[in-house]
Amino acid sequence: GENVEQHPSTLSVQEGDSAVIKCTYSDSASNYFPWYKQELGKGPQLIIDIRSNVGEKKDQRIAVTLNKTAKHFSLHITETQPEDSAVYFCAASIGGKLIFGQGTELSVKP
Amino acid sequence: DGGITQSPKYLFRKEGQNVTLSCEQNLNHDAMYWYRQDPGQGLRLIYYSQIVNDFQKGDIAEGYSVSREKKESFPLTVTSAQKNPTAFYLCASSIGHEGMNTEAFFGQGTRLTVV
Repeated sequence: GENVEQHPSTLSVQEGDSAVIKCTYSDSASNYFPWYKQELGKGPQLIIDIRSNVGEKKDQRIAVTLNKTAKHFSLHITETQPEDSAVYFCAASIGGKLIFGQGTELSVKP
Repeated sequence: DGGITQSPKYLFRKEGQNVTLSCEQNLNHDAMYWYRQDPGQGLRLIYYSQIVNDFQKGDIAEGYSVSREKKESFPLTVTSAQKNPTAFYLCASSIGHEGMNTEAFFGQGTRLTVV
């Protein structure tokens, strides 16, 4: 079955620095890759997604890149702010199911 | 407001008891999902349903049961057969047409504690 690996598990950056989180997936049939942000005690919320026919997508300070050949995709957050502190999950979709990575706890220090 | 609602937010259960977690959505979504989240771990799929009166097991279905009698509702029962039920449970929904992968909307979760 599909497996999604996410790294690092924790990430600490200074405010204003960039943060990068990486994921790999196992099933080449996966065609949709969303990223979710989860704040403490809440459900995850979609922040950006990318489909397999696109290599990169940007939304203000957030960008996602996809390398289909290598089967990995990454989340890039620039000019980080304290409110970016949260747990971030990547996911890969196949057959309508979302398989999630293990999560990255991002801490942005003022 | 459109959305997905889970209740209750906190739930306590004695060992040996079954308990049912509620999930309702008014987004007119076909697909609904139940995930379990443990500290420091990702979300693991318990069950999912892509259409009324049909559902499939996810990766960790043992000790759980679901029903999908209405499009809007997808309750999860945690049975006494689930050996380690204490966790944060998340329900989600998406448009869900086969081959059309779109955003999943999550509820706020139910924290279940076995006492």
